[in-house]
Amino acid sequence: LAKTTQPISMDSYEGQEVNITCSHNNIATNDYITWYQQFPSQGPRFIIQGYKTKVTNEVASLFIPADRKSSTLSLPRVSLSDTAVYYCLVGGGGGYNKLIFGAGTRLAVHP
Amino acid sequence: ETGVTQSPTHLIKTRGQQVTLRCSSQSGHNTVSWYQQALGQGPQFIFQYYREEENGRGNFPPRFSGLQFPNYSSELNVNALELDDSALYLCASSLYGDQETQYFGPGTRLLVL
Repeated sequence: LAKTTQPISMDSYEGQEVNITCSHNNIATNDYITWYQQFPSQGPRFIIQGYKTKVTNEVASLFIPADRKSSTLSLPRVSLSDTAVYYCLVGGGGGYNKLIFGAGTRLAVHP
Repeated sequence: ETGVTQSPTHLIKTRGQQVTLRCSSQSGHNTVSWYQQALGQGPQFIFQYYREEENGRGNFPPRFSGLQFPNYSSELNVNALELDDSALYLCASSLYGDQETQYFGPGTRLLVL
């Protein structure tokens, strides 16, 4: 499974847009890109998933360039409650697949 | 919120003891995965169960074992506990064929003294 690289930490302020970029140079043709959010002492929560171009849901947007070697999670107008660890994962579509988590990006949103 | 429940929420054991953690998967999900998360690190895959059989395993010794029941609930058993087994143990359920989208429970915090 492809390895991912993302910043260890980021800081932002309430109301700002936050973009977290993840590098996955060895992504395979059938790999999807998935982002999870985790609050302290809770299990990770699925945020968004995509394969190419742009995906948007009620929580976030995911931008994937044509070469798919990176992806950017965009959180619009963050609030204090968005303070969490964000994980980028890549994996094959369908069948057996374990999720490989890296260290994630610790986002701190300040008032 | 996700429908995945785990018990107990917290547990304290001593070295050498055995522990059983339980997980009820989200309704309709047939696959259960277990993860270990040490403080400050991302979750590490232990194993996955599908159709009551182990369907993949991470880099964990055999003293970590599991079960899946006909109702898709699952147990994680750890024998001969070591201090390094202290961690948050997470259960995640999913549909076979869509394991990128896993729904995690709140976890069980295990402390080994």
